[in-house]
Amino acid sequence: DQQVKQNSPSLSVQEGRISILNCDYTNSMFDYFLWYKKYPAEGPTFLISISSIKDKNEDGRFTVFLNKSAKHLSLHIVPSQPGDSAVYFCAASAFQNQAGTALIFGKGTTLSVSS
Amino acid sequence: EAGVAQSPRYKIIEKRQSVAFWCNPISGHATLYWYQQILGQGPKLLIQFQNNGVVDDSQLPKDRFSAERLKGVDSTLKIQPAKLEDSAVYLCASSLRLAGSSQGTQYFGPGTRLLVL
Repeated sequence: DQQVKQNSPSLSVQEGRISILNCDYTNSMFDYFLWYKKYPAEGPTFLISISSIKDKNEDGRFTVFLNKSAKHLSLHIVPSQPGDSAVYFCAASAFQNQAGTALIFGKGTTLSVSS
Repeated sequence: EAGVAQSPRYKIIEKRQSVAFWCNPISGHATLYWYQQILGQGPKLLIQFQNNGVVDDSQLPKDRFSAERLKGVDSTLKIQPAKLEDSAVYLCASSLRLAGSSQGTQYFGPGTRLLVL
């Protein structure tokens, strides 16, 4: 049973437009959520995170929104750039992401940004 | 600051052979994780260490997989004997341990791509 779901395997966006990547979760114990970006032949790179006490967190062009009642989060990239083309993983953990708590990952969404 | 180092980057073996992977975490990171990523899937935790002690190995196939973190720094993951379904990328990650904070962000190494023939 998948606890973290990324239902869109791929997304194509034009440069300069907004990219919206979605993630759903089923475990109500999750209280910390992260997005990782992965380029081919590299490990995942931490992008942005959000605690369950917030509903929005912003870092430059990246914003993560959390809707706890719907158990849904989304990553917005504005404006999208060709260098953003990568696989994006949504991940979740329980217990405020204290070290020692494993991450549960979704299957990833491949974002392609065309110029 | 140096990142998480892993070696080798690629490994091809035949089934029933053994293989070992090495990981050096970010300096000062007490927590170390090994993940398995099968093609088309997200990473799945195999084992996590806090210093040199095991925190969670519930998803480690212990009949063939073993891992250790001697001296609480470097770690090795071993598969013996390997099966075809072990073909995957093996990722090592590390994080700081700050009790009561949200500084558990995990930083990943480049991974070791294993192909079992």
